[in-house]
Formats: sequence, structure tokens, C-alpha cells
Amino acid sequence: EVQLVESGGGLIQPGGSLRLSCAASGFTVSSNYMSWVRQAPGKGLEWVSVIYSGGSTYYADSVKGRFTISRDNSKNTLYLQMNSLRAEDTAVYYCARDFHMDVWGQGTTVTVSS
Amino acid sequence: QSALTQPASVSGSPGQSITISCTGTSSDVGGYNYVSWYQQHPGKAPKLMIYEVSNRPSGVPDRFSGSKSGNTASLTISGLQAEDEADYYCSSYTSSSTVVFGGGTKLTVL
Repeated sequence: EVQLVESGGGLIQPGGSLRLSCAASGFTVSSNYMSWVRQAPGKGLEWVSVIYSGGSTYYADSVKGRFTISRDNSKNTLYLQMNSLRAEDTAVYYCARDFHMDVWGQGTTVTVSS
Repeated sequence: QSALTQPASVSGSPGQSITISCTGTSSDVGGYNYVSWYQQHPGKAPKLMIYEVSNRPSGVPDRFSGSKSGNTASLTISGLQAEDEADYYCSSYTSSSTVVFGGGTKLTVL
């Protein structure tokens, strides 16, 4: 079964760092275009970042220079390293597979607050 | 990158048809046939309903259809059913190799 499971969310103080993980099963992360999308409480979806199968990475302006997307092929897992966190980064973070985002995880909640 | 423009809400009665618009620019919606539509029920992850403007993934009812004209894409749901009540989001690939979402549309089935 094709599945994505996010983890690593939690409560973090402003300025802190957090690393989110997205474990994949049923397909190979490194062969796919993988994205992170977030949703602030009561708000819409916001695209965050993508990593292509070839390794190229792209970021939304709102996170550029603070967030880093990566993957571990041996663990078939996608990551999002988040540094210099701000209150406005508070959201549910989803990982999604493929250019069309045809498979989504259940999301992991990040709360940035003092 | 500015969000794509969607109406905040639409409504329709069971059996009727509704259309949700998604307006962007020539740098996103108008420039590429990479528009997708997602359905999201409260507390749930989004679900892909349409990709590449008008293609339906397997398992999505053919009541859902997509189209595009210029810088505006549209999602049409025919034969509305109670379970279609949800939030709907469009997205598009952009000239910056990023993705942009619409602000979302709340569909109410009366």
C-alpha cells in the first residue's frame, strides 16, 4: 500500500529548529518529485518546498534560507529541516508525492510559541 | 508568488451543478497545463481530484471535471451530493519552478 507518514512536529519556541520526517512505503521517494505543503490553523494550503528526483530543490519565498528539504534514500524518507522558526510557521505540515501530489500524509502539527 | 484567486464560497442543491474558478497569471495557470484540484474535508488531508487541468485519478467520480481558458481554470461538479461538501483548492506549477495554491473555496450542499 502506498503511504506517507509524517512525524517530528511539536511545540517550539520562536527562533528554534525542528526536523520533520515523512516515511514512505509502497514506492521509492528518490524516484519521485516530493513536496511539503502546510496549512495554518483555519487557513488554506500553502506550498513550502519540493525536491525533484534528480535532487533539485525549490522553496517558497516565505521559507527560503530557513528551511531545507532533503531525503535519505536508504530510509526511503523525506525531511524538512526548519530553522529560525517564527510564529507564522505554525501549521499542519503535509508531505505529498509526485508532481500532482496524488498521495498525502496525515500531517504533523508544528506550533511556534513562547 | 501571489495565491491563485478562488471564490471564498459556492453552494448548490443536491443534483445541481456548480463551478469553481481559479484565476492566475500567464506565469502559472495560463502558462502551463499543470493545474490540479484538491478536495479537503474538515480535519483530513487533501485529496487529489483533478490533475493536468482535466484528468481524473482513478477512483474519482466522473461528476468531477476540469477545464482551463487563458489564465482561469475551473472545476465543475455535476450531480451534487452531500458528501461533496468540503473545501476545494486549485494549484498550479509556476515559471519559478514552484507551486502556488488558490485560497480555497468552501462548497456548501444545501
